[in-house]
Amino acid sequence: GAVVSQHPSRVICKSGTSVKIECRSLDFQATTMFWYRQFPKKSLMLMATSNEGSKATYEQGVEKDKFLINHASLTLSTLTVTSAHPEDSSFYICSAEGPGYEQYFGPGTRLTVT
Amino acid sequence: AQTVTQSQPEMSVQEAETVTLSCTYDTSESNYYLFWYKQPPSRQMILVIRQEAYKQQNATENRFSVNFQKAAKSFSLKISDSQLGDTAMYFCAFMKGDTGNQFYFGTGTSLTVIP
Repeated sequence: GAVVSQHPSRVICKSGTSVKIECRSLDFQATTMFWYRQFPKKSLMLMATSNEGSKATYEQGVEKDKFLINHASLTLSTLTVTSAHPEDSSFYICSAEGPGYEQYFGPGTRLTVT
Repeated sequence: AQTVTQSQPEMSVQEAETVTLSCTYDTSESNYYLFWYKQPPSRQMILVIRQEAYKQQNATENRFSVNFQKAAKSFSLKISDSQLGDTAMYFCAFMKGDTGNQFYFGTGTSLTVIP
């Protein structure tokens, strides 16, 4: 089946620093990838849609200068949280669109900003 | 705008019994897809089942089946012969039909299978 990896699975960073999260589709090509944020016991909140070779589309209320997304190839999208603050601490999940329009999800990254 | 509603925040079922999780949605689209995803404690989202709106036949995947009522905009998930490994959050999702479109997720139903 389609597999999506995410790295790192956990990261702790200091306030004011930047952290990069990678999302890879391992056995299929994904023109479109999505980035979500999930709070405990809540549903997934879409942050942005990432299309290979073009600029990401951000959801309303998501700061594009703070959450930089790069989809440089058909198998890799990255999310960089710049100048991280404690309120950015969360669980970030990526997904890649499969051939039948379903989304395959990565295992998530837990970000803690101290 | 599309909305997805899961009216059951929590449910429980005895092992080996059958349980049905409800989902309703609101859309003016005629071409769309519906999905059920499972999120166990590991938090890995796993695709359970999908349904194309243009198909009248209900989708089935082993112990999982859906009751898709297009006119009523209802998309319930039935889990038969429940197993302990079915304990998870279940999310219903809607996607209007074309590539690259976002999912609209419901708020989730927490299912506990009781041994």
